[in-house]
Amino acid sequence: AQKITQTQPGMFVQEKEAVTLDCTYDTSDQSYGLFWYKQPSSGEMIFLIYQGSYDEQNATEGRYSLNFQKARKSANLVISASQLGDSAMYFCAMREGPPSGTYKYIFGTGTRLKVLA
Amino acid sequence: GAVVSQHPSWVICKSGTSVKIECRSLDFQATTMFWYRQFPKQSLMLMATSNEGSKATYEQGVEKDKFLINHASLTLSTLTVTSAHPEDSSFYICSARPRGQGFNSPLHFGNGTRLTVT
Repeated sequence: AQKITQTQPGMFVQEKEAVTLDCTYDTSDQSYGLFWYKQPSSGEMIFLIYQGSYDEQNATEGRYSLNFQKARKSANLVISASQLGDSAMYFCAMREGPPSGTYKYIFGTGTRLKVLA
Repeated sequence: GAVVSQHPSWVICKSGTSVKIECRSLDFQATTMFWYRQFPKQSLMLMATSNEGSKATYEQGVEKDKFLINHASLTLSTLTVTSAHPEDSSFYICSARPRGQGFNSPLHFGNGTRLTVT
């Protein structure tokens, strides 16, 4: 079963507008972490933002914010004031495993965002 | 900080040959490194978890004899694709988390290796 689900294969947004990229997850762990990464066409993975399962407030990093709804198991990424350089593939990821034990990171299928001028 | 260097960035090899990909953490130590494979326009699939000084842990369906992983030091892990075939052509990307950093630490990725087997 999919543990990280990104239902939007592609999204368009007008420059300077805000956009929300969806992510839902499935885990039975009480302690877990959620991450968003950006992958431009060049291939590198760029870390954007993190949300811990025990964090009560939604994470924010500059123009990126994470809309964390724990009961719904969703962790949507919001990009405000979109820029042309935001065009890329965006991956939601989850860290599985206890903080001090064996762990791994799994990724969703990604959403390709295109910012329009 | 937290730079991961992956080499080579691209490689073309003939079917039946072996290819070694190196992943180095340049400014931190990593007891654990992760190897992912990414097909065009698809997600990152975890292949194996590389542990310094011990055997790698492979994900279900990944052939350990095909994809040899060695984690000889706290800053170097290698992936060797043995007897490569065209179906092994893919984008391989390594990642690591700095040793001692907390639960909320992200993975730091290399820039990936595009392997083409002819």
